[in-house]
Amino acid sequence: DSGVTQTPKHLITATGQRVTLRCSPRSGDLSVYWYQQSLDQGLQFLIQYYNGEERAKGNILERFSAQQFPDLHSELNLSSLELGDSALYFCASSGGDRGGYEQYFGPGTRLTVT
Amino acid sequence: AQKVTQAQTEISVVEKEDVTLDCVYETRDTTYYLFWYKQPPSGELVFLIRRNSFDEQNEISGRYSWNFQKSTSSFNFTITASQVVDSAVYFCALGGVYQKVTFGIGTKLQVIP
Repeated sequence: DSGVTQTPKHLITATGQRVTLRCSPRSGDLSVYWYQQSLDQGLQFLIQYYNGEERAKGNILERFSAQQFPDLHSELNLSSLELGDSALYFCASSGGDRGGYEQYFGPGTRLTVT
Repeated sequence: AQKVTQAQTEISVVEKEDVTLDCVYETRDTTYYLFWYKQPPSGELVFLIRRNSFDEQNEISGRYSWNFQKSTSSFNFTITASQVVDSAVYFCALGGVYQKVTFGIGTKLQVIP
């Protein structure tokens, strides 16, 4: 158990809908990262927050947004969902905001868009 | 820009064989960090090791060992006497002091009983 929690574990929704994925980092970790993993794209970095502020942005679509709250939990909002958004979404946390820290991953949320 | 190459997309070995997973990286930074993660069939990514660019000492942890060679920009991972439980996708990753972590595409290892 990495100490990172993600909810829900599975999510099935229809195209055009909006969903929110939730992540709680390990105790003491200030950084939260979001990744998308699909069969044909590998592990794609979406966005990073550090202590409530956006720190780095990757291949995140405009339909997607995220935030980190004062209690350090984070939410990833996906809107106007398309079939291609079906994937496993991981949250990870680390103790710092730079690339030298190992990341601890949550169990992931499997999103299926029908 | 950082880049991580895992040229082996899939490897199959018979149980008890040794197997080496290759990782080659590119970076312009003088200080950087290398990682390996394991993703078993259950799906969760598990951190295995972190190595900084100033520490080229090889590391051994049980049946796992890592060979870091700056001269060839490689950070290879060897599993000795492989077991079925080692079947997973293994990711190599690279992070810089001021750069986010970049993951390779992963190597799927299948250990056949």
